Amino acid sequence: NAGVTQTPKFQVLKTGQSMTLQCAQDMNHNSMYWYRQDPGMGLRLIYYSASEGTTDKGEVPNGYNVSRLNKREFSLRLESAAPSQTSVYFCASSDTRVQPQHFGDGTRLSIL
Amino acid sequence: GQSLEQPSEVTAVEGAIVQINCTYQTSGFYGLSWYQQHDGGAPTFLSYNALDGLEETGRFSSFLSRSDSYGYLLLQELQMKDSASYFCAVRQNQGGKLIFGQGTELSVKP
Repeated sequence: NAGVTQTPKFQVLKTGQSMTLQCAQDMNHNSMYWYRQDPGMGLRLIYYSASEGTTDKGEVPNGYNVSRLNKREFSLRLESAAPSQTSVYFCASSDTRVQPQHFGDGTRLSIL
Repeated sequence: GQSLEQPSEVTAVEGAIVQINCTYQTSGFYGLSWYQQHDGGAPTFLSYNALDGLEETGRFSSFLSRSDSYGYLLLQELQMKDSASYFCAVRQNQGGKLIFGQGTELSVKP
């Protein structure tokens, strides 16, 4: 039982490059989420998908796009990476009506 | 605006009891969650309060007062492995959208 799997685990990009972060869950959860965490900070919601076929903006959506490919997969895309997007990105999933959210191990992204 | 306030750091000794407070001001409230994070790893769920009162799970308890927009996490019989960051998070809607506090770093000393 893998839970929530994120790929890649580490990535270095140059400013202006594009990148897609992948997330897959095997718990049959309806809802999926993308967060970013900066040093000494809590997690900030970028986008979420309450159910397959729907996506909504979170607190910090600018510069990102998402795709809920199917019930299992939720990807996050940076079209033109900026140094301000250097962060650790966490994907999570949950049953819509029942806590908790289950998190992946994170993707550590550096943009030079 | 929306805000969750929690202390940035707490230090306690092994075997002691520690309380981490969280006050919140958010648009929409369905419940208060607590998560633990070790060394920047995956956050893990600890507890959830949708109604006022105390929820107990082993050494950890969580309390909520909706009228005071306040909650706390109580950790008893502290162990060295409890050294971690603890985040409160408000569930804002039925879709499970969470707003996180900035976290409290707990250091447990021998």
